[in-house]
Amino acid sequence: DAGVIQSPRHEVTEMGQEVTLRCKPISGHDYLFWYRQTMMRGLELLIYFNNNVPIDDSGMPEDRFSAKMPNASFSTLKIQPSEPRDSAVYFCASRPTGGQGEQFFGPGTRLTVL
Amino acid sequence: DQQVKQNSPSLSVQEGRISILNCDYTNSMFDYFLWYKKYPAEGPTFLISISSIKDKNEDGRFTVFLNKSAKHLSLHIVPSQPGDSAVYFCAAKEGFQKLVFGTGTRLLVSP
Repeated sequence: DAGVIQSPRHEVTEMGQEVTLRCKPISGHDYLFWYRQTMMRGLELLIYFNNNVPIDDSGMPEDRFSAKMPNASFSTLKIQPSEPRDSAVYFCASRPTGGQGEQFFGPGTRLTVL
Repeated sequence: DQQVKQNSPSLSVQEGRISILNCDYTNSMFDYFLWYKKYPAEGPTFLISISSIKDKNEDGRFTVFLNKSAKHLSLHIVPSQPGDSAVYFCAAKEGFQKLVFGTGTRLLVSP
């Protein structure tokens, strides 16, 4: 079975540009999570969805960040405008309903904002 | 205001010896704890977990210990193997779905 798929794997952009990160969760998983990894703060939860509906976006750092999940197999995280401090690795994870909490992570997108 | 802390950014051990990775937390409402392992250029993968009603869970070479009174958990790997070299994240479940992660500990197992 395919795991969580993220694209692109690497993104280099200039400050002020719009960045869109994409995620395809594991089929059948009802929950989707977006995380950001930095050296200082580790893995931070940005937002999560249940059945395509955003449940908790309290981790989204600023209004420059937005996330959507138009259907069960696709989600986007958009940063507009991007800033150098947004440089990080962004992970998408999914999990099914039930169980204890294990989440399945994608390979991540390494974002560099110059 | 990190609720889950991994105070050792790195750990080096020799192959065959025990690796002990530590994690402290502050929120007494956490009821489930997980360890994830991460190789470079890959996403974290689930390794082992423990419920707050237990104090130990074992899976092969991996054992997680939980000390609720101290708000401390540890991951023991024995014997350590070079393939165990990775970054290990401790995580705690908050509410029904959210996981709060530590900053990770980089383990290096040398032959």
